[in-house]
Amino acid sequence: DSGVTQTPKHLITATGQRVTLRCSPRSGDLSVYWYQQSLDQGLQFLIQYYNGEERAKGNILERFSAQQFPDLHSELNLSSLELGDSALYFCASSAAQRGYTDTQYFGPGTRLTVL
Amino acid sequence: GDSVTQMEGPVTLSEEAFLTINCTYTATGYPSLFWYVQYPGEGLQLLLKATKADDKGSNKGFEATYRKETTSFHLEKGSVQVSDSAVYFCALSDRVGNTPLVFGKGTRLSVIA
Repeated sequence: DSGVTQTPKHLITATGQRVTLRCSPRSGDLSVYWYQQSLDQGLQFLIQYYNGEERAKGNILERFSAQQFPDLHSELNLSSLELGDSALYFCASSAAQRGYTDTQYFGPGTRLTVL
Repeated sequence: GDSVTQMEGPVTLSEEAFLTINCTYTATGYPSLFWYVQYPGEGLQLLLKATKADDKGSNKGFEATYRKETTSFHLEKGSVQVSDSAVYFCALSDRVGNTPLVFGKGTRLSVIA
């Protein structure tokens, strides 16, 4: 158990809908990362937050957005869903100590199926 | 940009065989290197890491050495078990700060008894 929790575990929805994925980082970790794992694209970085502020952006679509709340949990919002958005979405967290490359610990993932 | 290249899978080995999964990287700086493992139906777990040249990461019988001269971080295990069947990902992170991981495409390992 990495200490990172994600809900829900599975999500099935229809095209055009909007969903919210939730992540709680390990206790004390300030940095949260979102990754998408799909068969054709592999594991791709979407977005990173550090202590409530957006830190880095990767291949995140404009239909997707995220935020990190004061209690450090994070939510990834996916809207106007398309079939191609079906994937496994992982959240990871790290302590993000200054000047030190921390290990990222991954949650179990949310499997999104868009029908 | 930074990138990671892993050997294509799947790899099928008999129990107690020697394992090597090749990984090479391209990076502008001096990255930290990682191997993550994903067991069926689960998330990614850190297997081992190395943060500077010539460092050797090791865990659960797996080893990988950070080779700056060949920009490689090959994963090895002397004797695999059926329980090692999983997908293995090589990844790098910019050493300067806490930046996102760049992953290879993953190598699926199947170990048969």
